[in-house]
Order: sequence, then C-alpha cells, then structure tokens
Amino acid sequence: QKEVEQDPGPLSVPEGAIVSLNCTYSNSAFQYFMWYRQYSRKGPELLMYTYSSGNKEDGRFTAQVDKSSKYISLFIRDSQPSDSATYLCAMNPGGNYQLIWGAGTKLIIKP
Amino acid sequence: ETGVTQTPRHLVMGMTNKKSLKCEQHLGHNAMYWYKQSAKKPLELMFVYNFKEQTENNSVPSRFSPECPNSSHLFLHLHTLQPEDSALYLCASSIGGDSNQPQHFGDGTRLSIL
Repeated sequence: QKEVEQDPGPLSVPEGAIVSLNCTYSNSAFQYFMWYRQYSRKGPELLMYTYSSGNKEDGRFTAQVDKSSKYISLFIRDSQPSDSATYLCAMNPGGNYQLIWGAGTKLIIKP
Repeated sequence: ETGVTQTPRHLVMGMTNKKSLKCEQHLGHNAMYWYKQSAKKPLELMFVYNFKEQTENNSVPSRFSPECPNSSHLFLHLHTLQPEDSALYLCASSIGGDSNQPQHFGDGTRLSIL
C-alpha cells in the first residue's frame, strides 16, 4: 500500500464548476499537509499549506483535512481554464522526515 | 533573476556521456533539494543539502553525484546513465532543512537518455 494515494485523472469539468481533488494517506502521524499546482513544463508551486485538521480558505481555494479519515481535499470554486494543471498533495509528520508526495491529479477545465 | 533557476531545460545524452545539471536560487534559502519526477509517479527525493551539508541521500545510484558549493548553487553530475533515468529533474529550495517548510521549485531539466 502506498503511503499517499491520489487519483491520477484526468478530471475534466466545465468552467465554473466546483472541483474536488482528494488524497488519502495511511500514516496517522502526518501533521503538515500541502497542495502544489504544476502547470505543463513548469515546476510545482505551493498552493495551500495546512497544519493538523480543519479548513483553510484562500480566495477560490479551500483545503480541508480530516485526520480521523486520513483524507485531505482541495476544493476549487468557480473553476477557470487557467486552473488546468496537475495538482500534487504532499504531507509529513514534521521535523526531519521527508515530504511524502501523491502522484498528482491532472485537472482539465473546459471553457 | 528571482526564484529558482535550472539549466539546461532539456538534455539528451548517451549512456556513456558525462553532463551536469545546474540549479541556482535567489531566495536566500539555506536548504536545497534534487527530485526526480517520472510520469504518473510521486516525486522522488534524491538529495538534500542544508547549509551546504548533505543531510539526505535516498539510496541514489552513484551515477548521480551532487555538489553544493554554497547555499545558492546546486549541481547534479551525471555519468553512465541508464534509459530508466530519463525523467524530469527538479531542484527546490526552502528556508530551512525541515521538510515541513514550503519548498520552491525550479522548472526542471527534462533528461532523455539514448
């Protein structure tokens, strides 16, 4: 079993839709959770960063962590074609432990 | 220039060649990382340098040799590579060496081994 599972997609939705991207994990010690966005031919860029459980909102983006279910989500409201990218989740327990990455979900927003 | 810059952007080499990848960060960070990204696979951490000292080597084959002359520059020296080494090689930096610190990535070097 992989430590972090992420559906590779592609996920294709119409412009304006609410998008839900998800990762599940197996290590209950994970406390730091990140979402990165990677455009084609570009490096990943940090989108959202959360510690422990709960929600965090930034503009059209909301990151949600459910530690009891070992499940994290990224919601995108009013999705735009410019949101088309691959979304990577990453997490770790903190300290000197490595970040553990999901394989990424490719998202396509159709105009 | 700002951010993390990687050169070259693309590299094609034969299995017997020797080449080097370069990474430079202008963010004043103290930690730098090399990752390998293959299609539909999670990022694989290869090496970590914190204040120029290597703190992580993830059982990477010796045909990959990192060098960190200072906190702003990171190199990956390549020799006698295999076809399965074809991938996108990403460099990243962070303020400190704790992996919960956000990492800033370059745009990568696309490496193809003939």
